[in-house]
Amino acid sequence: AQTVTQSQPEMSVQEAETVTLSCTYDTSESDYYLFWYKQPPSRQMILVIRQEAYKQQNATENRFSVNFQKAAKSFSLKISDSQLGDAAMYFCAYFHANAGGTSYGKLTFGQGTILTVHP
Amino acid sequence: EAGVAQSPRYKIIEKRQSVAFWCNPISGHATLYWYQQILGQGPKLLIQFQNNGVVDDSQLPKDRFSAERLKGVDSTLKIQPAKLEDSAVYLCASSPAVRGYEQYFGPGTRLTVT
Repeated sequence: AQTVTQSQPEMSVQEAETVTLSCTYDTSESDYYLFWYKQPPSRQMILVIRQEAYKQQNATENRFSVNFQKAAKSFSLKISDSQLGDAAMYFCAYFHANAGGTSYGKLTFGQGTILTVHP
Repeated sequence: EAGVAQSPRYKIIEKRQSVAFWCNPISGHATLYWYQQILGQGPKLLIQFQNNGVVDDSQLPKDRFSAERLKGVDSTLKIQPAKLEDSAVYLCASSPAVRGYEQYFGPGTRLTVT
């Protein structure tokens, strides 16, 4: 079974600084997707960034970027120029399609990292 | 485009009572998911529908939980009877038919069982 591990229960950063959240996963599959989701106190799960395992290039979305190390099964999120609105719980998640193709599969989530942003 | 809708947002019940949650997915999304998120943990998949058929319900406690998706659109998740350990946030998500990795989440229902 696939597992996702986030070893940092809490992280903090000063506004405008950079912070990196860590994630490792365990899988025997070669084709899968990795995600970072943000969950503010409102509980709405918001997609931050997605990485396809077959792509060697690290995904980037504005101030958010990832460091995807497939061999090491590591997937970290870097937040640059941190803003107060970035404060939330962040979840790393893994998706592998079942035999039926990408229609079928489930997201497996890590335990989450609470990010605090100090003004 | 309207997002995934869920109701109610909050529910407090006593143990052994029953409760039902409702979800309306994004229009055109064939796949619908129910996740359970216990406080301080990541969401865990309970059940997945493709149109009105069940794809995966391996993590659903079938002795007390049931779910249905009539006409392949709205879905209802029911707990009967509720236990204290069912206190959690119940998240509904939906995705397009061939892109199961592209899941959009609703705001969730926070259930407290006393």
